[in-house]
Amino acid sequence: AQSVTQPDIHITVSEGASLELRCNYSYGATPYLFWYVQSPGQGLQLLLKYFSGDTLVQGIKGFEAEFKRSQSSFNLRKPSVHWSDAAEYFCAVGPSSGGYQKVTFGTGTKLQVIP
Amino acid sequence: GAGVSQSPRYKVAKRGQDVALRCDPISGHVSLFWYQQALGQGPEFLTYFQNEAQLDKSGLPSDRFFAERPEGSVSTLKIQRTQQEDSAVYLCASSLYRNEQYFGPGTRLTVT
Repeated sequence: AQSVTQPDIHITVSEGASLELRCNYSYGATPYLFWYVQSPGQGLQLLLKYFSGDTLVQGIKGFEAEFKRSQSSFNLRKPSVHWSDAAEYFCAVGPSSGGYQKVTFGTGTKLQVIP
Repeated sequence: GAGVSQSPRYKVAKRGQDVALRCDPISGHVSLFWYQQALGQGPEFLTYFQNEAQLDKSGLPSDRFFAERPEGSVSTLKIQRTQQEDSAVYLCASSLYRNEQYFGPGTRLTVT
């Protein structure tokens, strides 16, 4: 069964500092990997996705993530955090084959940005 | 174009009442998903539709939960005889077959 672990429940960073959110997954083959962001009272917005090819993927809002097969990780990074990045971030994994994308989400990391 | 919309955005139900939650997917999206998100948790898969066919309902927590998408567009998630443990945000997402999912804003259900 596929699963996702986000070890950090809550992270606080200063505005302008760099950010890395951790994600580890368990999946038997090459997975599809996603990062979503959820602002309070809102649905989830896709930041970026990895399907195949280049292991460093660029997303919206200046985010990037790197797929590391050997470590079963897909960490999210941003070089300089803005106050508007405060939100909850979810890593998710889905199957690379089969009829549809049954995606499994992690429990999320809540990001707080301080001035 | 318009995104995924859900209604109502908030619903308060007394224990034992039936509720119906509506999802309007992005036009043309074949796939539709329902998720349940408890407080402080990630979304948990409930059910999946491809057009009007419900191909996977393995995540529905009990037979009190029922979903339909009769014309392959709008979907309704119905919860009968609501219980306090049903309190959560219910998210709907749609996609073009195997592409990424686009989420609606969710319906926050509170059972009192």
